[in-house]
Amino acid sequence: NAGVTQTPKFRILKIGQSMTLQCTQDMNHNYMYWYRQDPGMGLKLIYYSVGAGITDKGEVPNGYNVSRSTTEDFPLRLELAAPSQTSVYFCASRLGGELFFGEGSRLTVL
Amino acid sequence: AQSVAQPEDQVNVAEGNPLTVKCTYSVSGNPYLFWYVQYPNRGLQFLLKYITGDNLVKGSYGFEAEFNKSQTSFHLKKPSALVSDSALYFCAVRDRARDDYKLSFGAGTTVTVRA
Repeated sequence: NAGVTQTPKFRILKIGQSMTLQCTQDMNHNYMYWYRQDPGMGLKLIYYSVGAGITDKGEVPNGYNVSRSTTEDFPLRLELAAPSQTSVYFCASRLGGELFFGEGSRLTVL
Repeated sequence: AQSVAQPEDQVNVAEGNPLTVKCTYSVSGNPYLFWYVQYPNRGLQFLLKYITGDNLVKGSYGFEAEFNKSQTSFHLKKPSALVSDSALYFCAVRDRARDDYKLSFGAGTTVTVRA
């Protein structure tokens, strides 16, 4: 199993551009999550999904959108990128009491 | 509401000495508690969890944590630290009453173990 795979690992965006962070998991987990990690702030939940076709907002959803058309994929869309979205983004899936994280996508908005 | 506090930004210990990383939590009901570790440029990895039962929980890599309900704490411990334990550690909590599995993470504690 590859686990949770995120692409790209690094990306630089200009203000106002849009992009999609890809996340796929091969463990057939229903629950998936997107977090952002900022220094000294821990992880903040952006969006989550309890299964294909179902998504819901987390703590910091503004400026982001998600979709969940399949169990495997949970892409995160950034519309009109802003410097405040400079962060490291982590996708995770859940089985029982444990979250399985991808290796992260480092995004810089200039 | 639920939240986690990790009062120390950094913990520095010598190899072979005991390691403690502190965590306190706040939930409306009863908690599920977790510790995760993050090595440089990697995602978080699960270390251990407290669900119910014995207050002392044993996890990966020789780590353990003690749940203390009266002090609302869940400190991570290792009797003898290794240089390879140097990493960023996160405590997380979820209120058992929630069915959406939203975890709240602490800000993280950077552990440095010197040789």
